[in-house]
Amino acid sequence: KAGVTQTPRYLIKTRGQQVTLSCSPISGHRSVSWYQQTPGQGLQFLFEYFSETQRNKGNFPGRFSGRQFSNSRSEMNVSTLELGDSALYLCASSLRPGDGADTQYFGPGTRLTVL
Amino acid sequence: AQTVTQSQPEMSVQEAETVTLSCTYDTSENNYYLFWYKQPPSRQMILVIRQEAYKQQNATENRFSVNFQKAAKSFSLKISDSQLGDTAMYFCAFKSSGTYKYIFGTGTRLKVLA
Repeated sequence: KAGVTQTPRYLIKTRGQQVTLSCSPISGHRSVSWYQQTPGQGLQFLFEYFSETQRNKGNFPGRFSGRQFSNSRSEMNVSTLELGDSALYLCASSLRPGDGADTQYFGPGTRLTVL
Repeated sequence: AQTVTQSQPEMSVQEAETVTLSCTYDTSENNYYLFWYKQPPSRQMILVIRQEAYKQQNATENRFSVNFQKAAKSFSLKISDSQLGDTAMYFCAFKSSGTYKYIFGTGTRLKVLA
Protein backbone atom coordinates (compact mmCIF):
# COMPACT_ATOMS: atom_id res chain seq x y z
CA LYS A 1 0.00 0.00 0.00
CA ALA A 2 1.42 3.39 -0.95
CA GLY A 3 2.30 5.75 1.85
CA VAL A 4 1.34 9.36 2.38
CA THR A 5 2.53 11.52 -0.47
CA GLN A 6 3.11 15.25 -0.45
CA THR A 7 3.73 17.60 -3.32
CA PRO A 8 5.78 19.51 -4.02
CA ARG A 9 8.76 18.38 -1.95
CA TYR A 10 10.49 21.74 -2.15
CA LEU A 11 9.14 25.22 -2.68
CA ILE A 12 10.70 28.66 -2.73
CA LYS A 13 8.48 31.71 -2.50
CA THR A 14 8.87 35.38 -1.70
CA ARG A 15 7.19 37.37 1.01
CA GLY A 16 3.61 38.31 0.25
CA GLN A 17 2.99 35.43 -2.10
CA GLN A 18 0.66 32.58 -1.42
CA VAL A 19 1.30 28.85 -1.60
CA THR A 20 -0.71 25.66 -1.82
CA LEU A 21 0.60 22.33 -0.59
CA SER A 22 -0.98 19.00 -1.37
CA CYS A 23 -1.27 15.76 0.56
CA SER A 24 -2.59 12.38 -0.56
CA PRO A 25 -3.31 10.05 2.36
CA ILE A 26 -2.84 6.33 2.49
CA SER A 27 -5.62 4.59 0.61
CA GLY A 28 -8.59 4.12 2.90
CA HIS A 29 -7.47 6.75 5.39
CA ARG A 30 -10.03 9.47 5.87
CA SER A 31 -8.34 11.74 8.37
CA VAL A 32 -5.58 14.15 7.39
CA SER A 33 -3.62 16.36 9.76
CA TRP A 34 -1.09 19.07 8.99
CA TYR A 35 1.91 20.10 11.04
CA GLN A 36 4.53 22.82 10.77
CA GLN A 37 8.02 21.78 11.80
CA THR A 38 10.70 24.35 12.56
CA PRO A 39 13.99 23.99 14.47
CA GLY A 40 12.89 26.43 17.14
CA GLN A 41 9.25 25.42 17.64
CA GLY A 42 9.35 21.73 16.87
CA LEU A 43 6.16 20.16 15.52
CA GLN A 44 3.17 22.43 15.72
CA PHE A 45 -0.31 21.19 14.90
CA LEU A 46 -2.04 23.19 12.19
CA PHE A 47 -5.38 21.47 11.59
CA GLU A 48 -7.09 18.17 11.01
CA TYR A 49 -9.70 17.18 8.44
CA PHE A 50 -12.09 14.29 8.34
CA SER A 51 -14.85 13.76 5.82
CA GLU A 52 -14.13 17.13 4.23
CA THR A 53 -14.66 18.94 7.55
CA GLN A 54 -12.10 20.66 9.69
CA ARG A 55 -12.37 18.98 13.07
CA ASN A 56 -9.59 20.64 14.97
CA LYS A 57 -7.36 23.66 14.54
CA GLY A 58 -4.11 24.75 16.10
CA ASN A 59 -3.03 28.23 17.09
CA PHE A 60 -2.11 29.64 13.72
CA PRO A 61 -3.32 32.85 12.07
CA GLY A 62 -6.08 32.85 9.51
CA ARG A 63 -3.50 33.04 6.73
CA PHE A 64 -3.21 29.29 7.16
CA SER A 65 -6.15 27.40 5.76
CA GLY A 66 -6.91 24.01 4.38
CA ARG A 67 -9.48 21.80 2.84
CA GLN A 68 -10.18 18.18 2.14
CA PHE A 69 -11.73 16.70 -0.93
CA SER A 70 -14.17 13.83 -1.25
CA ASN A 71 -11.31 11.44 -2.07
CA SER A 72 -9.64 12.45 1.25
CA ARG A 73 -6.84 14.31 -0.47
CA SER A 74 -6.06 17.54 1.34
CA GLU A 75 -4.53 20.88 0.54
CA MET A 76 -3.26 23.59 2.78
CA ASN A 77 -2.88 27.16 1.74
CA VAL A 78 -0.77 29.92 3.21
CA SER A 79 -1.51 33.44 2.04
CA THR A 80 0.61 36.56 2.38
CA LEU A 81 3.73 34.57 3.17
CA GLU A 82 6.09 35.80 5.86
CA LEU A 83 9.73 34.89 6.44
CA GLY A 84 8.68 33.01 9.57
CA ASP A 85 6.56 30.64 7.50
CA SER A 86 9.72 28.95 6.27
CA ALA A 87 9.40 25.42 7.60
CA LEU A 88 8.89 21.78 6.84
CA TYR A 89 5.17 21.12 6.46
CA LEU A 90 4.19 17.59 7.31
CA CYS A 91 0.98 15.84 6.49
CA ALA A 92 -0.22 12.77 8.36
CA SER A 93 -3.11 10.44 7.69
CA SER A 94 -5.04 8.01 9.81
CA LEU A 95 -8.02 5.77 9.31
CA ARG A 96 -10.38 7.90 11.32
CA PRO A 97 -10.11 10.41 14.11
CA GLY A 98 -11.45 10.05 17.59
CA ASP A 99 -10.59 6.39 17.72
CA GLY A 100 -7.90 6.15 20.34
CA ALA A 101 -6.26 3.21 18.67
CA ASP A 102 -5.72 5.19 15.52
CA THR A 103 -2.16 5.95 14.51
CA GLN A 104 -0.94 8.73 12.27
CA TYR A 105 1.35 7.98 9.34
CA PHE A 106 3.43 10.83 8.03
CA GLY A 107 4.40 11.95 4.57
CA PRO A 108 7.91 13.10 3.63
CA GLY A 109 7.01 16.76 4.00
CA THR A 110 7.21 19.89 1.87
CA ARG A 111 10.14 22.17 2.56
CA LEU A 112 8.94 25.76 2.13
CA THR A 113 11.47 28.55 1.98
CA VAL A 114 10.24 32.14 2.04
CA LEU A 115 12.71 34.75 0.81
CA ALA B 1 -3.71 21.69 28.48
CA GLN B 2 -1.60 18.68 27.75
CA THR B 3 2.14 19.09 27.33
CA VAL B 4 4.94 16.77 26.33
CA THR B 5 8.51 17.36 27.46
CA GLN B 6 11.67 15.81 26.11
CA SER B 7 14.49 17.08 28.28
CA GLN B 8 17.37 15.66 26.25
CA PRO B 9 17.92 17.72 23.08
CA GLU B 10 20.82 15.53 21.95
CA MET B 11 22.23 12.16 22.83
CA SER B 12 24.82 9.82 21.46
CA VAL B 13 25.43 6.13 21.91
CA GLN B 14 27.99 3.64 20.69
CA GLU B 15 26.89 1.07 18.19
CA ALA B 16 25.54 -2.09 19.90
CA GLU B 17 24.98 -0.27 23.17
CA THR B 18 21.67 0.57 24.83
CA VAL B 19 20.25 4.06 25.14
CA THR B 20 17.17 5.45 26.85
CA LEU B 21 15.34 8.57 25.70
CA SER B 22 13.17 10.38 28.22
CA CYS B 23 9.70 11.79 27.84
CA THR B 24 7.32 13.21 30.39
CA TYR B 25 3.83 14.51 29.82
CA ASP B 26 1.18 16.32 31.68
CA THR B 27 -2.51 15.54 31.44
CA SER B 28 -5.58 15.19 33.58
CA GLU B 29 -7.03 12.60 31.22
CA ASN B 30 -7.20 8.95 32.11
CA ASN B 31 -7.56 7.50 28.62
CA TYR B 32 -4.84 8.42 26.19
CA TYR B 33 -2.17 7.08 23.89
CA LEU B 34 1.55 7.68 23.71
CA PHE B 35 3.82 7.31 20.72
CA TRP B 36 7.45 7.46 19.77
CA TYR B 37 8.20 8.59 16.26
CA LYS B 38 11.55 8.53 14.51
CA GLN B 39 12.59 11.08 11.91
CA PRO B 40 15.82 10.11 10.10
CA PRO B 41 17.80 12.72 8.23
CA SER B 42 15.74 11.93 5.11
CA ARG B 43 12.79 13.47 7.05
CA GLN B 44 10.14 10.77 6.75
CA MET B 45 8.56 10.43 10.18
CA ILE B 46 8.12 6.78 11.13
CA LEU B 47 6.13 5.30 13.98
CA VAL B 48 8.43 3.39 16.31
CA ILE B 49 6.12 2.25 19.08
CA ARG B 50 2.75 2.95 20.62
CA GLN B 51 1.39 2.55 24.14
CA GLU B 52 -2.21 2.60 25.31
CA ALA B 53 -2.50 4.17 28.74
CA TYR B 54 -4.96 1.57 29.97
CA LYS B 55 -2.45 -1.21 29.39
CA GLN B 56 -0.15 -2.06 32.26
CA GLN B 57 2.27 -3.95 30.07
CA ASN B 58 5.02 -1.95 28.42
CA ALA B 59 5.00 -2.05 24.63
CA THR B 60 7.86 -3.72 22.79
CA GLU B 61 8.82 -3.73 19.12
CA ASN B 62 11.97 -5.72 18.43
CA ARG B 63 14.89 -3.67 19.78
CA PHE B 64 12.59 -0.86 20.93
CA SER B 65 10.74 -0.93 24.22
CA VAL B 66 9.13 1.60 26.49
CA ASN B 67 9.01 2.15 30.21
CA PHE B 68 5.56 3.55 30.84
CA GLN B 69 5.02 4.93 34.32
CA LYS B 70 1.46 6.25 34.36
CA ALA B 71 1.51 7.69 37.86
CA ALA B 72 4.75 9.51 37.18
CA LYS B 73 3.57 10.50 33.68
CA SER B 74 6.74 9.20 32.18
CA PHE B 75 7.20 7.39 28.88
CA SER B 76 10.81 6.58 28.06
CA LEU B 77 12.08 4.75 25.00
CA LYS B 78 14.83 2.16 25.27
CA ILE B 79 16.79 1.19 22.19
CA SER B 80 18.82 -1.97 22.58
CA ASP B 81 21.72 -3.02 20.38
CA SER B 82 21.83 0.41 18.76
CA GLN B 83 22.51 0.47 15.05
CA LEU B 84 23.84 3.22 12.80
CA GLY B 85 20.42 3.36 11.16
CA ASP B 86 18.90 4.42 14.47
CA THR B 87 20.51 7.84 14.03
CA ALA B 88 17.53 10.19 13.87
CA MET B 89 15.41 12.71 15.68
CA TYR B 90 13.00 10.98 18.06
CA PHE B 91 9.70 12.56 18.99
CA CYS B 92 7.44 11.60 21.83
CA ALA B 93 3.75 12.27 21.20
CA PHE B 94 0.55 12.26 23.22
CA LYS B 95 -3.02 11.81 22.06
CA SER B 96 -6.08 11.91 24.24
CA SER B 97 -8.65 9.32 23.26
CA GLY B 98 -11.28 12.01 23.01
CA THR B 99 -9.48 14.34 20.60
CA TYR B 100 -8.05 14.35 17.12
CA LYS B 101 -4.94 16.25 18.08
CA TYR B 102 -1.47 14.87 18.66
CA ILE B 103 0.89 16.82 20.90
CA PHE B 104 4.56 16.37 20.20
CA GLY B 105 7.62 16.97 22.31
CA THR B 106 10.51 19.00 20.94
CA GLY B 107 12.48 15.92 20.03
CA THR B 108 15.76 14.27 20.95
CA ARG B 109 18.47 14.03 18.34
CA LEU B 110 20.15 10.66 18.68
CA LYS B 111 23.45 9.88 17.05
CA VAL B 112 24.76 6.34 16.95
CA LEU B 113 28.54 6.23 16.79
CA ALA B 114 30.49 3.55 14.98
